[in-house]
Amino acid sequence: DGGITQSPKYLFRKEGQNVTLSCEQNLNHDAMYWYRQDPGQGLRLIYYSQIVNDFQKGDIAEGYSVSREKKESFPLTVTSAQKNPTAFYLCATSPGGPDTQYFGPGTRLTVL
Amino acid sequence: SQELEQSPQSLIVQEGKNLTINCTSSKTLYGLYWYKQKYGEGLIFLMMLQKGGEEKSHEKITAKLDEKKQQSSLHITASQPSHAGIYLCGADRSGGSYIPTFGRGTSLIVHP
Repeated sequence: DGGITQSPKYLFRKEGQNVTLSCEQNLNHDAMYWYRQDPGQGLRLIYYSQIVNDFQKGDIAEGYSVSREKKESFPLTVTSAQKNPTAFYLCATSPGGPDTQYFGPGTRLTVL
Repeated sequence: SQELEQSPQSLIVQEGKNLTINCTSSKTLYGLYWYKQKYGEGLIFLMMLQKGGEEKSHEKITAKLDEKKQQSSLHITASQPSHAGIYLCGADRSGGSYIPTFGRGTSLIVHP
């Protein structure tokens, strides 16, 4: 069953704690992306990776970190330095080149 | 940097009515994508447009890219409650970058 898995769907954390969001894909896509979505804001790019062992900052990378040790996985860590982490987080993949992105189901993070 | 402006921000229509959503860019569009999102879920790809004047249809949804490649419209004919959701346009930031940017989305409600 091909696709993109994000887990968990809902996540609650206390303020000041780091939290890692999972994104796994079996589409064999080279590129992977993390977005943050807030009401009325659309999608904002946090980090992206176009190849294993390489990643680039997006528009709002401060307070976040990523790794890309395997082609299938692109975990996102929300650190305590992120001032307003409560949001809906979306992971996406792409084969690379002029092609659409494929999105996971998202993780809703709530920091209490 | 390229920005995408979507209008209207929200739309409420009666079932059976036609509607149009616009996406306007400050720069030439290199690959314009339309997605649909149900609340709390990931994005579903609808259509991709690349050539000026291009028009594509899927069921009752038609998308066009103008000749100057700076504006796209999404038209829904005879809307149904199943069309409800958030519609987002996305585009490559510059030719060859394949790093997308997104509009803020248009929220559509269809009353039965």
